[in-house]
Amino acid sequence: AQSVTQPDIHITVSEGASLELRCNYSYGATPYLFWYVQSPGQGLQLLLKYFSGDTLVQGIKGFEAEFKRSQSSFNLRKPSVHWSDAAEYFCAVGEPAGKSTFGDGTTLTVKP
Amino acid sequence: DGGITQSPKYLFRKEGQNVTLSCEQNLNHDAMYWYRQDPGQGLRLIYYSQIVNDFQKGDIAEGYSVSREKKESFPLTVTSAQKNPTAFYLCASFPWTSGNTGELFFGEGSRLTVL
Repeated sequence: AQSVTQPDIHITVSEGASLELRCNYSYGATPYLFWYVQSPGQGLQLLLKYFSGDTLVQGIKGFEAEFKRSQSSFNLRKPSVHWSDAAEYFCAVGEPAGKSTFGDGTTLTVKP
Repeated sequence: DGGITQSPKYLFRKEGQNVTLSCEQNLNHDAMYWYRQDPGQGLRLIYYSQIVNDFQKGDIAEGYSVSREKKESFPLTVTSAQKNPTAFYLCASFPWTSGNTGELFFGEGSRLTVL
């Protein structure tokens, strides 16, 4: 069965600092990997996705993620965090048929 | 604009009452999903449907029921058998077409509070 682990429940960074959110997955085949962002009381918005090709993928809002098959990881990064990035971030592994398994999420707090 | 509409956004009910959450999409997507979200537990799959008149249980289906009579609609009923129904419920859709890259499209969610 597929699974996703986000080791960090809560991360606090200063505005302008760099950010890395960790994600490890377990999946039997080549995974479809996603990062979603959720503002309080809202639905999830797709930040970026990986399903093949270049292992460094670019997303919206200046985010990027790197797929490392040897480490079963798909970490999310941003070089300079803005206060508006404060939200909850979910890593997910998906099947081509559409079912997705989500991690428990990482809450990002941005200090002024 | 195309999207997924969930209603109501907030719902309060007494224990023992069934409630139905609405999910409508105009994206012409084939598959639809219901997830439950609790603090610190991420999203857990309740039910999903890949075609009209067919649906499958997810990981936490007990105490819930669904129907899929139209492609656009996938309502979720939270029954009195659900032991802890207070949660945030998210509906999502997925285009079952070749070349899709697997991401889900989400509604804005419905928050159910049982008093």
